[in-house]
Amino acid sequence: EVQLVQSGAEVKKPGESLKISCGASGYIFATYWIGWVRQMPGKGLEWMGLIYPANFDTRDNPSFQGQVTLSADKSANTAYLQWSSLEASDTAIYYCARCRDLAYFDAFDIWGQGTMVTVSS
Amino acid sequence: EIVLTQSPGTLSLSPGERATLSCRASQSVRDSFLAWYQQRPGQAPRLLIYGASSRATGVPDRFSGSGSGTNFLLTINRLEPEDSAVYHCQQYAGSPWTFGQGTKLEVK
Repeated sequence: EVQLVQSGAEVKKPGESLKISCGASGYIFATYWIGWVRQMPGKGLEWMGLIYPANFDTRDNPSFQGQVTLSADKSANTAYLQWSSLEASDTAIYYCARCRDLAYFDAFDIWGQGTMVTVSS
Repeated sequence: EIVLTQSPGTLSLSPGERATLSCRASQSVRDSFLAWYQQRPGQAPRLLIYGASSRATGVPDRFSGSGSGTNFLLTINRLEPEDSAVYHCQQYAGSPWTFGQGTKLEVK
């Protein structure tokens, strides 16, 4: 079964760092783009960026540039989303998702279950 | 940036009826690179339609997508209570990829 399994909920204080994960199974991880999507409480979906694990190429949303870092570990079949200094406005559910077509930009056909990140003093 | 505007914001219908959801783009979506997702409360989004009109694996044929350019529709025939959800459109033609604000469908 093709699936993405994300790390568990996090509660952090402003200024702290955080790295959440998205583990892939059931397919060749390196050859599909993986994206990250933010959903703030009660709000819609926002595309944050993409990473291609085969060569670590990324496509970033300018709205999130400098705020988060996308990375991947091919040996662990895992993608990561990282913050160096969290803010209260980062409170949201973060989803990873796989692009449908091999090696190409495409709709997201497989989604992780989401990671809830709460940032509060 | 391509802005997607979905309408209506909320739609309330009865089982067996048809729902028509609209997604309008601020500029033409190249190659009809537009997708529709269903998101039930407390769940991750689920891909329904890609390429404007192709159904994803396992999606019932009650769901259909149409349109091109700047106007796209998601039609759901023979509504069932389980179709109650928020429906999001997304374009993946140009960076940054963008989502619409969502349409909430209530079936009861």
